[in-house]
Amino acid sequence: NAGVTQTPKFRVLKTGQSMTLLCAQDMNHEYMYWYRQDPGMGLRLIHYSVGEGTTAKGEVPDGYNVSRLKKQNFLLGLESAAPSQTSVYFCASTYSGRAREGEQFFGPGTRLTVL
Amino acid sequence: DAKTTQPTSMDCAEGRAANLPCNHSTISGNEYVYWYRQIHSQGPQYIIHGLKNNETNEMASLIITEDRKSSTLILPHATLRDTAVYYCIVRANTDKLIFGTGTRLQVFP
Repeated sequence: NAGVTQTPKFRVLKTGQSMTLLCAQDMNHEYMYWYRQDPGMGLRLIHYSVGEGTTAKGEVPDGYNVSRLKKQNFLLGLESAAPSQTSVYFCASTYSGRAREGEQFFGPGTRLTVL
Repeated sequence: DAKTTQPTSMDCAEGRAANLPCNHSTISGNEYVYWYRQIHSQGPQYIIHGLKNNETNEMASLIITEDRKSSTLILPHATLRDTAVYYCIVRANTDKLIFGTGTRLQVFP
């Protein structure tokens, strides 16, 4: 099993450009998440999905859109990148949303710089 | 979700037990205590979680006080590879983990 993979690993954008980050998991997990982590900070939830075809907003959703057309994939889009979106982006997945069995598996991260 | 309080940093000698404390005085009855760690700039890694009983797995032990207002993560024999930021998180049956800034554990030779 590859677990949770993220594409690309690194990216540099200019202000105003758009891009899509891809997260894929091969564990048949229902729940998937996108987080961002700024230097010296903890992770903050951007958007999440509780199943194929569903999405919901997290703590910091502005400037991002997501789609979950297939169960194994969760896409994060930046329509018009801004320097404030320079960050490391982590994807995660879990089988269940219930706290007693909700171990999240994280991907390796995508390092995005917006100039 | 309840907030947690952790020390900013801790040191531990290699081979000794690392005891990482966490205060969660406003935890409610249905909230679990989770621990994750983040090594350098990798994705966070799940360690352990519990509700009210002490828990142990191959990585660590989790000790939760009887009143559930605090807990301690124990790494029984710390190694240099355990140097990381450790996050204590409490969550109920919601979908979301709320990460704080964690404890930076430095294991030294």
